[in-house]
Amino acid sequence: DQQVKQNSPSLSVQEGRISILNCDYTNSMFDYFLWYKKYPAEGPTFLISISSIKDKNEDGRFTVFLNKSAKHLSLHIVPSQPGDSAVYFCAASDFNQAGTALIFGKGTTLSVSS
Amino acid sequence: DSGVTQTPKHLITATGQRVTLRCSPRSGDLSVYWYQQSLDQGLQFLIQYYNGEERAKGNILERFSAQQFPDLHSELNLSSLELGDSALYFCASSVGHLLQGLWETQYFGPGTRLLVL
Repeated sequence: DQQVKQNSPSLSVQEGRISILNCDYTNSMFDYFLWYKKYPAEGPTFLISISSIKDKNEDGRFTVFLNKSAKHLSLHIVPSQPGDSAVYFCAASDFNQAGTALIFGKGTTLSVSS
Repeated sequence: DSGVTQTPKHLITATGQRVTLRCSPRSGDLSVYWYQQSLDQGLQFLIQYYNGEERAKGNILERFSAQQFPDLHSELNLSSLELGDSALYFCASSVGHLLQGLWETQYFGPGTRLLVL
């Protein structure tokens, strides 16, 4: 049973426009959420995170929104650039557990065309 | 560059064999995590070590084991290898806190691609 779901396997956006990547989770105990970007043949690179006490976190062109009641988070990239083309993973964690494993979604492949 | 290093980058071996994957965490990080990424799966958590001690276990097979050494590097041992063990294996590290409830970010290494023939 998938606790973190990214229902869109792929997304295509034009350069300069907004990219919105979505993620849903089922475990209400999750209290920390992260987005990672992954290029082929490389490890996941940390992008941005948000804790459950916030509903928005911004870092440059990247903003993450958290809707706890809907168990939904989204990553906005504005403006999108061709270099943003990669696989984006949403991950969640329950820091009240003894371990701090991340539970990952299966990823969304973003393609930004110029 | 995340600061996490993994060796080897690629590994090709035969069924029934045993291999060891190595990970060096970022300087100062006490926690090390191992994840497996198969073809049609996302990243699956295997095991976590904190300052040399096992802290959490995920979907790790009994044929797999890991340890973290006093210098904080970690090794993942995979034995009696099967075709289905072919995957990318990632190591991640974080600062690590003995107390729970502190939010941490994990930083990933470049991975080891294992191919079992």
